[in-house]
Amino acid sequence: EPEVTQTPSHQVTQMGQEVILRCVPISNHLYFYWYRQILGQKVEFLVSFYNNEISEKSEIFDDQFSVERPDGSNFTLKIRSTKLEDSAMYFCASSPSSGGSDTQYFGPGTRLTVL
Amino acid sequence: QKEVEQNSGPLSVPEGAIASLNCTYSDRGSQSFFWYRQYSGKSPELIMSIYSNGDKEDGRFTAQLNKASQYVSLLIRDSQPSDSATYLCAVNGGYSTLTFGKGTMLLVSP
Repeated sequence: EPEVTQTPSHQVTQMGQEVILRCVPISNHLYFYWYRQILGQKVEFLVSFYNNEISEKSEIFDDQFSVERPDGSNFTLKIRSTKLEDSAMYFCASSPSSGGSDTQYFGPGTRLTVL
Repeated sequence: QKEVEQNSGPLSVPEGAIASLNCTYSDRGSQSFFWYRQYSGKSPELIMSIYSNGDKEDGRFTAQLNKASQYVSLLIRDSQPSDSATYLCAVNGGYSTLTFGKGTMLLVSP
């Protein structure tokens, strides 16, 4: 069964450094998403991406964040200058077509630890 | 602001019992409703989706939706210890974002 994959599984970085989290969505899916979950808290939406552009973003997704689909398979989240509060699990998700009703399938996540 | 509320639990049930998980949401325009299961340290895994009022059954799981009351529930019949996890209610308001509740922890004792 096709699944969303994410690399790395765990990323440790120093405050102020840039990190890139990578995702390979399910191959025939058209909508891509990033969510984060701070330890003990709920899953929070960051950004959705369709047709090579951002379709929605949350208040969390400020100027230090960016997303890109550099080729036909990868979808990346870049955090330009990490802060301690960016420490969280970051989940990539994808859905087949219209994001409104279609199920979003989640990858295994990247645990980001900012020291 | 869209809110999804769940009792954090834990909800403790004996093996073989029915577990009932509840969720309320604030946005009357919400159109799609999802239940995800999340084991500790893992990603959300879809259990069921429901879009219209009433019940939807899939194996041991039944989702119930009441849009007038803005209420979604998940029933798990014949609960197993492997069902012990946090159950996340997620709501989609017609755009692409999912709003999640904090989740209800379910503990099934052998």
